[in-house]
Amino acid sequence: GNSVTQMEGPVTLSEEAFLTINCTYTATGYPSLFWYVQYPGEGLQLLLKATKADDKGSNKGFEATYRKETTSFHLEKGSVQVSDSAVYFCALSDLGNAGNMLTFGGGTRLMVKP
Amino acid sequence: DGGITQSPKYLFRKEGQNVTLSCEQNLNHDAMYWYRQDPGQGLRLIYYSQIVNDFQKGDIAEGYSVSREKKESFPLTVTSAQKNPTAFYLCASSTSAASGNTIYFGEGSWLTVV
Repeated sequence: GNSVTQMEGPVTLSEEAFLTINCTYTATGYPSLFWYVQYPGEGLQLLLKATKADDKGSNKGFEATYRKETTSFHLEKGSVQVSDSAVYFCALSDLGNAGNMLTFGGGTRLMVKP
Repeated sequence: DGGITQSPKYLFRKEGQNVTLSCEQNLNHDAMYWYRQDPGQGLRLIYYSQIVNDFQKGDIAEGYSVSREKKESFPLTVTSAQKNPTAFYLCASSTSAASGNTIYFGEGSWLTVV
């Protein structure tokens, strides 16, 4: 079956530090990969996505590259801000018997200090 | 504005009661989903619907029921058979069930058993 593994948090950084949140996946087919962000008490918002190998998704200074050879989709940002504090979820979507289903990682909480 | 509306935001349920969470979308999406999120954890799929008048069980459907009588509505009923219903519930939708289509989320509903 499909699975997504993220680094455990919390990740605590100072403002303007470099961020990396690791994500690796296992899938039987050719999945699409996503990063979602969840601010306290809210639903999930799509941050970025990549639909095939070597694609790079980017949004709001965040980037992630679909690496098929290492089955990874690590999230990076060059300079984090306090407003980036949230929980980040890596997910994959694989068209199997169940259609377009998302499999989520456990989430990584990011805390950015001023 | 287009989006997914969940209500109520907060709901308290007594032991033995059924409660229904509302989910409405005006995005003209065919597919809709319900996820459950427990504190500090990822999301798990409860039910999904790829088209009106059709729905399938997800990974944790026991103790839940849904209906899809209209394209824009996908209510979730948490029945008394659900032994541990306290959680954050997220409704989502996508254009179709094709892999790679972005899944959009509502703001979520908090359910607490008292």
